This record gives sequence, structure tokens and C-alpha cells, in this order.
Amino acid sequence: AQTVTQSQPEMSVQEAETVTLSCTYDTSESDYYLFWYKQPPSRQMILVIRQEAYKQQNATENRFSVNFQKAAKSFSLKISDSQLGDAAMYFCAYRSTYSGGGADGLTFGKGTHLIIQP
Amino acid sequence: DTGVSQNPRHKITKRGQNVTFRCDPISEHNRLYWYRQTLGQGPEFLTYFQNEAQLEKSRLLSDRFSAERPKGSFSTLEIQRTEQGDSAMYLCASSLVGGSTFFGQGTRLTVV
Repeated sequence: AQTVTQSQPEMSVQEAETVTLSCTYDTSESDYYLFWYKQPPSRQMILVIRQEAYKQQNATENRFSVNFQKAAKSFSLKISDSQLGDAAMYFCAYRSTYSGGGADGLTFGKGTHLIIQP
Repeated sequence: DTGVSQNPRHKITKRGQNVTFRCDPISEHNRLYWYRQTLGQGPEFLTYFQNEAQLEKSRLLSDRFSAERPKGSFSTLEIQRTEQGDSAMYLCASSLVGGSTFFGQGTRLTVV
């Protein structure tokens, strides 16, 4: 079974600065998807960014980018020019490209609480 | 249709009662998922449907939990004989096959 580990329970960053959230995962599969989701307090889970494992190029979405290191099984999220609205829980998630045995669902880490200091 | 819709948003029930939650996915999405999220944890995958077929249900937490998607559109998650340990946020999500997963706002269940 796959596991996702987020080793930083909480991170704090000054507004307008850059912060990196860490994620590692364990899998024996060669093809899969990785995601970062944002969950503001009492609000729904929002997809931030997606990475396909077969792609060497790191995904980017505006101020959000990832550093995907397949051999190291590492998938970190960098948030540039942090804004107050970025404050939330951030979850890293894994999904297999295979079907069956629960592989079609997302496996989440425990999350990192990001605090933005004004 | 702007997203995944879940009802009710909050449910308080007495231990031993049955509860049912509804989820309306993004209209063009053929996959629908149910997750449970407890405090301080990431969501935990429970079950999913592709159209009306329930393709995975081994992750349902006990036989008190069941889900349906009778016409391949909306889905319901039922918990029978609720227990205090069932208190959690229940999240519904939907996707296209191979596509990204989008979540609803969840139903927060409190069992007293």
C-alpha cells in the first residue's frame, strides 16, 4: 500500500515571502499522480496542483510550483509571494494509475498547517 | 453546475440512529468518491462509483456503512446505528476517469 508523509505539522511564513512544504511518499509503482490540495478552515478541499509521474517537468500554477524528485520519492510545494489567503491546511496526495483494490482513491498525508504572518 | 454539492452541511444525531448524506457531483463527471476526514487527519478513502457501478467498497469502515448511486448521478452515503466514533467530516468528490478529483464542502456529522 502507498503511504504519504508530510513531516511538517505547521509552517509559518511572512507575507510576500516564499515557503516550501515537504512531502514524501512510498510506492512500488512507476506511474502515478501526485497532488497538492488546500483546505481553508471550515471550507472545501481545493486542488492546487497536479503532477504526473511520467513527466520530468515540474508542474507550475501561477505562484505555486512543485519540485518532483521521482527517485527520492519527494514532492514539495513552493508558494511564492505568499498571500494572506494562502493560509490553510495543505495536503499532499497520491493516486495510482492502476485500478482496483482501492487504488482509484487518493491517499493523503496528514497535512501541513500554513500560517501567513502579515 | 459549479462544483460538487453535499447536503446537509451539518448533521447532529443521537447514537443508534441512522443517517443519510447526499452528494451531487459535477455533472459531466462519471466517477464519484466518498471520503471520511477526522480532526487533524487527511481524508480517508471509503468507496467510489463509476457511473452507477460501485467499483470499490472494501474500504468502507464497517457493514454499517453503505453507499448508492442508483442512476449514475447523485449518490447517498448511509450510516446505520451510528456510534460516537462515526463523528467526522464526510467528503464527496468527483472526477472524470484519469482526471483530477474535485471535492464538495463536506457533511459534518456529530453523534451525541
